[in-house]
Amino acid sequence: DQQVKQNSPSLSVQEGRISILNCDYTNSMFDYFLWYKKYPAEGPTFLISISSIKDKNEDGRFTVFLNKSAKHLSLHIVPSQPGDSAVYFCAASVYGGATNKLIFGTGTLLAVQP
Amino acid sequence: DAGVIQSPRHEVTEMGQEVTLRCKPISGHDYLFWYRQTMMRGLELLIYFNNNVPIDDSGMPEDRFSAKMPNASFSTLKIQPSEPRDSAVYFCASSPPFWENNEQFFGPGTRLTVL
Repeated sequence: DQQVKQNSPSLSVQEGRISILNCDYTNSMFDYFLWYKKYPAEGPTFLISISSIKDKNEDGRFTVFLNKSAKHLSLHIVPSQPGDSAVYFCAASVYGGATNKLIFGTGTLLAVQP
Repeated sequence: DAGVIQSPRHEVTEMGQEVTLRCKPISGHDYLFWYRQTMMRGLELLIYFNNNVPIDDSGMPEDRFSAKMPNASFSTLKIQPSEPRDSAVYFCASSPPFWENNEQFFGPGTRLTVL
């Protein structure tokens, strides 16, 4: 039972354009969401997060949008750069639930073409 | 800080052999997590520890898998006997208490190949 789903295994965009990565979740108890970025032969690294009390969080070129009613979040990268090419994982948790347990999706491979 | 350290980085073994993966978390982090990455299931949580005590091992696939954390700076994940379907990348991650930060810090991973 995949509680966090990333239905697009891969995405290709041109440099300078917008990249939109999507994530859906099924557990309504989730109230904190994170995006991680992973380069080949390295561990995932934290990129950006959002609490369920917000619907948008921005950090430079990266913006995460949360639609609680649809149980959907998306990561926007504007403008996309070749160095953004990586696998992006969406993760969810119950914040303050006496645990740091994260549930990850299957990842989306982003390729930014020069 | 050097970050989360994992060893070995690559392991190739034959079916039936015992495999031990090692992890040193970031100093001061009291949570430690073991994950497995596969194409089909993404990043699966296998087990996690808080203050060296296993809290949730519901993700451990079978009794062939076991994990220990004898002290705050070391953990092992053991597979005995190993099978070809165990081939994957295994990550260790650590984090501070959840009320400080919900972010987890990952090691570089161990790529396991079981022939």
